[in-house]
Amino acid sequence: GQQLNQSPQSMFIQEGEDVSMNCTSSSIFNTWLWYKQEPGEGPVLLIALYKAGELTSNGRLTAQFGITRKDSFLNISASIPSDVGIYFCAGPKSNTGNQFYFGTGTSLTVIP
Amino acid sequence: DADVTQTPRNRITKTGKRIMLECSQTKGHDRMYWYRQDPGLGLRLIYYSFDVKDINKGEISDGYSVSRQAQAKFSLSLESAIPNQTALYFCATSLGTGELFFGEGSRLTVL
Repeated sequence: GQQLNQSPQSMFIQEGEDVSMNCTSSSIFNTWLWYKQEPGEGPVLLIALYKAGELTSNGRLTAQFGITRKDSFLNISASIPSDVGIYFCAGPKSNTGNQFYFGTGTSLTVIP
Repeated sequence: DADVTQTPRNRITKTGKRIMLECSQTKGHDRMYWYRQDPGLGLRLIYYSFDVKDINKGEISDGYSVSRQAQAKFSLSLESAIPNQTALYFCATSLGTGELFFGEGSRLTVL
């Protein structure tokens, strides 16, 4: 089945540092979504990208839709302790549009 | 109150037992989904439904069945639970715009 590979799998960073993570697919996506899951909760949408090359920000978060449509990137600037969680990329495969596939996740730990 | 509610939140059961996880939503969305989460594997789609008469298999439907009793209710059943079905299960809803709204999850342990 479809698999989205995220890297790195986990990150341990100092508060104040910037964070970069990415997501790659073997298939083309026409939408890229980035979610965050906090402990004991379900994932919550952070950013949605709808166009190849698009760069979108949400506060300290910036995400980009890769021009090949097979990858996406998420950056977090000046990390804070509440950024802790698992970050997932997701998207509907272009020829289905109905099934949302999720990446394997990047676990972020911020050390105060 | 949560917009997407899952019950039970935690369940421990034995191999071979029948288990039902229930999901109800107050968001008025037509689209509902069941995912399972395993460490290192992310979330994988089990089943999804776009309305009461529509049921579709996802990536990993074997060993599972679903029922869409109403627009607001979508239940997941394990007819004969096995240990490798131990996981965190999430229900989600969508308007079809791309954003999924998740419940808080149901943690299932099969001994």
